[in-house]
Amino acid sequence: DQQVKQNSPSLSVQEGRISILNCDYTNSMFDYFLWYKKYPAEGPTFLISISSIKDKNEDGRFTVFLNKSAKHLSLHIVPSQPGDSAVYFCAASLLKTSYDKVIFGPGTSLSVIP
Amino acid sequence: NAGVMQNPRHLVRRRGQEARLRCSPMKGHSHVYWYRQLPEEGLKFMVYLQKENIIDESGMPKERFSAEFPKEGPSILRIQQVVRGDSAAYFCASSPWRELAKNIQYFGAGTRLSVL
Repeated sequence: DQQVKQNSPSLSVQEGRISILNCDYTNSMFDYFLWYKKYPAEGPTFLISISSIKDKNEDGRFTVFLNKSAKHLSLHIVPSQPGDSAVYFCAASLLKTSYDKVIFGPGTSLSVIP
Repeated sequence: NAGVMQNPRHLVRRRGQEARLRCSPMKGHSHVYWYRQLPEEGLKFMVYLQKENIIDESGMPKERFSAEFPKEGPSILRIQQVVRGDSAAYFCASSPWRELAKNIQYFGAGTRLSVL
């Protein structure tokens, strides 16, 4: 029973164009969402997050959009750079719970082609 | 200002042996999480610990796996009598007090366990 889904295992984008990574979740109680980036042979690193009270959060080239009614969020990278090539994990959590369990999606492997 | 340290980075065990994976959280972090990543899959939550306490072990297999986070020293994930299906990358993450962390976890580079 996968609560966080990333239906695209991989994505290829030309350098300079926009990368859009999608994520869907099933539990409407989730109230905080995060994106992590992972390079090979390294651990995931936090990229950007969004609270359920917002529908957009921007940090430089990275913007996350949240559509609560659709239980969908997306990460936009503009412009895409070769160094953005990595696996991106979407994650969801419940801040209201008594502990900090975070549910990760299966990841999307992004390749930015120079 | 070291990050989350995991060792060893690579661990090879034969079937039936024990595997011990260590994780030293970032300084000041009192929450530790263990995840497993099987080939071609995402991160699967295993266990969440605070100092000397297991808070949530709902992702841990019922047998052969155990975890601890003692008052002194690193967190240990122990796998007894390993089988080939245990081959995976095991990641540890830590976080500070949750109000400050907003569920942001800081990951180590992982331990890649290979069972022959």
